[in-house]
Amino acid sequence: QITLKESGPTLVKPTQTLTLTCAFSGFSLTTGGVGVAWIRQPPGKALEWLAVIYWNDDKGYSPSLKSRLTISMDTSKNQVVLTMTNMDPVDTATYSCLYRGNTREAFDIWGQGTMVTVSS
Amino acid sequence: QSALTQPASVSGSPGQSITITCTGSSSDVGTYGLVSWYQQHPGKAPKLIIYEVNKWPSGVSNRFSGSKSGNTASLTISGLQAEDEADYICCSYAGSRTYVFGSGTKVTVL
Repeated sequence: QITLKESGPTLVKPTQTLTLTCAFSGFSLTTGGVGVAWIRQPPGKALEWLAVIYWNDDKGYSPSLKSRLTISMDTSKNQVVLTMTNMDPVDTATYSCLYRGNTREAFDIWGQGTMVTVSS
Repeated sequence: QSALTQPASVSGSPGQSITITCTGSSSDVGTYGLVSWYQQHPGKAPKLIIYEVNKWPSGVSNRFSGSKSGNTASLTISGLQAEDEADYICCSYAGSRTYVFGSGTKVTVL
């Protein structure tokens, strides 16, 4: 059974850097074709795709946020880490990580998400 | 990279069919046959119901079907049931290891 669980601070101050961790089980990020992505959803607003990392360490970033995002993986710990710099109140959202399997182009399993509020 | 456009809400009576559209551009939906659809009930994580435009993951009802024409993908729910009341979100691969999500559609069963 594949599970993903996000963790990180619930409150960050403007200009700070946010670091989120996605701890997963049930699959390996060394398996060909597998990937883990991050998305976010501000309260009452639409989902926004942020970044993806693949088994071969290839990465993709949202063009509008690319300069602020870094995604990385620790295969020994079964974790994917997302950092976002220069946080702003508009970045207040629920952040979730998603599993992309190696058999199709889709996100098979989603984490429950973690709410992050940006406020001074 | 703009969000894919979906109608905010669609409604139908039990047994009817409804269609939800997902309009993108030639940079995403129009170029890649890699549109997926997700169903989200309140308080739950989204569930994959359609991938690669018109394929079903195992265990998903074939009352859900997908299609694509030009820059617009569509999800049709046939034989609408009360349990289908949920939010539906589309997603498309947009090239260069990027993706774009839709704005989401709330389906109400009257």
